[in-house]
Amino acid sequence: RKEVEQDPGPFNVPEGATVAFNCTYSNSASQSFFWYRQDCRKEPKLLMSVYSSGNEDGRFTAQLNRASQYISLLIRDSKLSDSATYLCVVSTDSWGKLQFGAGTQVVVTP
Amino acid sequence: NAGVMQNPRHLVRRRGQEARLRCSPVKGHSHVYWYRQLPEEGLKFMVYLQKENIIDESGMPKERFSAEFPKEGPSILRIQQVVRGDSAAYFCASSPGNTEQFFGPGTRLTVL
Repeated sequence: RKEVEQDPGPFNVPEGATVAFNCTYSNSASQSFFWYRQDCRKEPKLLMSVYSSGNEDGRFTAQLNRASQYISLLIRDSKLSDSATYLCVVSTDSWGKLQFGAGTQVVVTP
Repeated sequence: NAGVMQNPRHLVRRRGQEARLRCSPVKGHSHVYWYRQLPEEGLKFMVYLQKENIIDESGMPKERFSAEFPKEGPSILRIQQVVRGDSAAYFCASSPGNTEQFFGPGTRLTVL
């Protein structure tokens, strides 16, 4: 079983619509949670950290459910520039070794 | 304000040759991480280094792979006697310690 699992998609989203997707993680000792974005196999870039109480950054909302061991990302009012692969990332180490999911592809269409 | 730099960006090697990948962290960052991304897969942790020390190499293949982060100069990921299965994107990340990791643009290794 993979340590971090994601639906690969693609999620085809009309511009302006809302899209949401989850990832699950297997290690209950995981301490830190993130969503990264990766464009066309370029380097991953941090989109947002995910906190237990849930957090919002503009059009992006992240939720963490420790009991069920899943993390969600919701994108509101999708823009064409939101088209990318979204990587769910978990860390169990205090010094920050990251475990990546394989990514969820989002395609925003005009 | 330079970010993480990696070179070369693209590297082609024939089977059996050596590959050397370089990573210069963000100025002032003493923590360096190497990850590998195989085609159609997620990034996999390889090794974590601080200056002159390997802290965690649990993701490194047991043979042919080595990494260093000397007191002066960039971090080096070295792959000896490359095989086709080593073809991947290798990403380096740096951090000042227990905070966000900043990723470099990666080195794409192709083994012929």
